[in-house]
Amino acid sequence: DVKVTQSSRYLVKRTGEKVFLECVQDMDHENMFWYRQDPGLGLRLIYFSYDVKMKEKGDIPEGYSVSREKKERFSLILESASTNQTSMYLCASRGQGRYEQYFGPGTRLTVT
Amino acid sequence: DAKTTQPNSMESNEEEPVHLPCNHSTISGTDYIHWYRQLPSQGPEYVIHGLTSNVNNRMASLAIAEDRKSSTLILHRATLRDAAVYYCILRDFQGAQKLVFGQGTRLTINP
Repeated sequence: DVKVTQSSRYLVKRTGEKVFLECVQDMDHENMFWYRQDPGLGLRLIYFSYDVKMKEKGDIPEGYSVSREKKERFSLILESASTNQTSMYLCASRGQGRYEQYFGPGTRLTVT
Repeated sequence: DAKTTQPNSMESNEEEPVHLPCNHSTISGTDYIHWYRQLPSQGPEYVIHGLTSNVNNRMASLAIAEDRKSSTLILHRATLRDAAVYYCILRDFQGAQKLVFGQGTRLTINP
């Protein structure tokens, strides 16, 4: 079975801190994604990557950056956390030519 | 992205079949129909997908209308573990990478 793991289930940070969210998948998938999920807004794509060192902006990239130095790992970076970035963050991966995305358990980030 | 419409909530009993409807009247010829579900406090989970023909897998069946303007996810024998929010999503495989999740249907299973 595909496994997507995220570094933390819960995280509390202060405004202005730099925050790193890590995601690792173990199925050699080319494509990886970061979403955030908020009540009433559904899931929104922040960034995705289709190969090592490649990245594309999603619908809401402002305030975020990403890093993909190795195929299995995709990191989401909040350069200076703000309270409006309090959310559930979900990582996903998908194999090339495949239809299904596999999601991690999510990281609930609270910025105070 | 083509829009899907699902009921906000549905309720069923354990060990009974459940039919979850989805309307997608603006579907294009290259849109695949995907279903995901999200259990409480977990990330979404892929359930099934199809293009034109009905599809079956170990989790569920997908019935697609002949005109493709609607589809139904069928859980043949619901268990308490099937209580989740179910999302119907259209995706053009040749197009954007993202999945666009709507509000979904919250399924409650009564023991």
